[in-house]
Amino acid sequence: DADVTQTPRNRITKTGKRIMLECSQTKGHDRMYWYRQDPGLGLRLIYYSFDVKDINKGEISDGYSVSRQAQAKFSLSLESAIPNQTALYFCATSDSSEANEKLFFGSGTQLSVL
Amino acid sequence: SQQGEEDPQALSIQEGENATMNCSYKTSINNLQWYRQNSGRGLVHLILIRSNEREKHSGRLRVTLDTSKKSSSLLITASRAADTASYFCATPGGNQFYFGTGTSLTVIP
Repeated sequence: DADVTQTPRNRITKTGKRIMLECSQTKGHDRMYWYRQDPGLGLRLIYYSFDVKDINKGEISDGYSVSRQAQAKFSLSLESAIPNQTALYFCATSDSSEANEKLFFGSGTQLSVL
Repeated sequence: SQQGEEDPQALSIQEGENATMNCSYKTSINNLQWYRQNSGRGLVHLILIRSNEREKHSGRLRVTLDTSKKSSSLLITASRAADTASYFCATPGGNQFYFGTGTSLTVIP
């Protein structure tokens, strides 16, 4: 089983719809992140959470919201999807107890907004 | 922005050749990391080099770090078709990781 699991793997939706992307992890890590990847732009941070009830905005949080329901679960919502939110979305985790933290990624969710 | 920049953006080589990609970053760092991404998949951590290290090896990977120039390089020796992927440098900063735009490597069998 994957350590960081994202669902769904692919999603096609229409403009204005509410969408939720889910992420769960079995690594026992305290920190979780949502990134967005667009061709030629690398990865950009949307939101991150260092513990349950800790939510922080990243570089591009507008139009998104998150919920850290438990240490192992971190969901990303698009309240009203728009076409320029079409992208590949990644959830990642890290362990703050490590001297040199590394990120562990899920397999990604390809979202298309029509 | 603390984002790193990789160079070149794309690289195509024959199997067996060496591949070198470079990363420049903007601020002081504690470490620099390299990740690999197969097409459409999640990134996988390859190697980490601390700010007090100048060179590090892992299998066919060799990473160098020059903190005075704020740059790093990743060398893949004796490349294989399976090395075809995108490679990203990442620098932890504050509470975040900052990624470069990546180098797309194609290894031709």
